[in-house]
Amino acid sequence: AAGVIQSPRHLIKEKRETATLKCYPIPRHDTVYWYQQGPGQDPQFLISFYEKMQSDKGSIPDRFSAQQFSDYHSELNMSSLELGDSALYFCASSLPQVNSPLHFGNGTRLTVT
Amino acid sequence: DAKTTQPNSMESNEEEPVHLPCNHSTISGTDYIHWYRQLPSQGPEYVIHGLTSNVNNRMASLAIAEDRKSSTLILHRATLRDAAVYYCILRDVDTGNQFYFGTGTSLTVIP
Repeated sequence: AAGVIQSPRHLIKEKRETATLKCYPIPRHDTVYWYQQGPGQDPQFLISFYEKMQSDKGSIPDRFSAQQFSDYHSELNMSSLELGDSALYFCASSLPQVNSPLHFGNGTRLTVT
Repeated sequence: DAKTTQPNSMESNEEEPVHLPCNHSTISGTDYIHWYRQLPSQGPEYVIHGLTSNVNNRMASLAIAEDRKSSTLILHRATLRDAAVYYCILRDVDTGNQFYFGTGTSLTVIP
């Protein structure tokens, strides 16, 4: 079965640079979620989208922005990168019903040097 | 959001059953109880969810207390591949598409 695809798998950036992470949800899933997971930490909810509109916002820094496109893929844009942004970034997709499970990708590991 | 409380860590012997508890004393009537697990260096993986009745699937069973203030994830025969962090999460129609992970239980399976 098709899964959530994230790209790139690994990304190395320097401080103050920008980065773009991409997420391709499972076909027919119209809801996308982004999470940040620092070393030894639990996943932190950043933002979610439903039908190409921002649905909910978590602890996403103002330096980050995201959007969902007409084909339902999503991109997380990160600017003015800081060392503390080094983390695993997970994307998940689901159907919109509250009892629908989230399906996660394998993540993008961002390293900021 | 209603909160959940789980033990930080648990151990189990291989091929024995494992009962992972979760307390959610402030659960509302419309909160679904979801369980996910995360293996090292992987994205979280859906395990099971329920509302009021006990649930079974190929991965695990979910036992929900009658007052719904606690639940237990049951792995019937633990394998080494079950070593992971297990998260109990409440999801409500009112929380929309916010889905927050708390501090899960790190399960160690002893050969």
